[in-house]
Amino acid sequence: AQKVTQAQTEISVVEKEDVTLDCVYETRDTTYYLFWYKQPPSGELVFLIRRNSFDEQNEISGRYSWNFQKSTSSFNFTITASQVVDSAVYFCALSGVSSGSARQLTFGSGTQLTVLP
Amino acid sequence: NAGVTQTPKFQVLKTGQSMTLQCAQDMNHNSMYWYRQDPGMGLRLIYYSASEGTTDKGEVPNGYNVSRLNKREFSLRLESAAPSQTSVYFCASRFGQGGEQYFGPGTRLTVT
Repeated sequence: AQKVTQAQTEISVVEKEDVTLDCVYETRDTTYYLFWYKQPPSGELVFLIRRNSFDEQNEISGRYSWNFQKSTSSFNFTITASQVVDSAVYFCALSGVSSGSARQLTFGSGTQLTVLP
Repeated sequence: NAGVTQTPKFQVLKTGQSMTLQCAQDMNHNSMYWYRQDPGMGLRLIYYSASEGTTDKGEVPNGYNVSRLNKREFSLRLESAAPSQTSVYFCASRFGQGGEQYFGPGTRLTVT
């Protein structure tokens, strides 16, 4: 069975602060994929990043960075110099090969990030 | 490319009524999915279709049926709606192994 835990239900920061969203996962698969999605107040789900289990390199994309550590089963997401437009619910998700060809996603419960001006 | 489209965007049903949520994708994706999103619970998989002609149950299939009409379309049917099915429903599709899923805009369903 797969499980994704996002222990932070809500986070509130002031604009320009850095913020890290935590994601811890459980899986018995040796090959799996991790994802982050953003859900702004408008409600759509926006794909941010995908990592496979063999690639532990950290990734940076503009103000966003991701820290993948297999040793602690974590895939944390950091926003540097946060902006009001970053306010959204962020979901971490996992897909393992044991789920078969369909590769269903298992989602965490999400973290509501509010960036105050 | 429209991506993944869903209809309707909003719907209000009375308990016991039936309805079908429509989903279509124009990205030639093999796999399609239906999720429901409830407050504080993330997204939970209802049904999925790994490829045209196949469907399987997800985590919360009770009260729902699906049809993979062709490669593009995947519909979700509520035969006898219940207040517990009040939720936001998302359809998604994915192309290859390990690929990200692309989501539709969602359908907000209220059952009174």
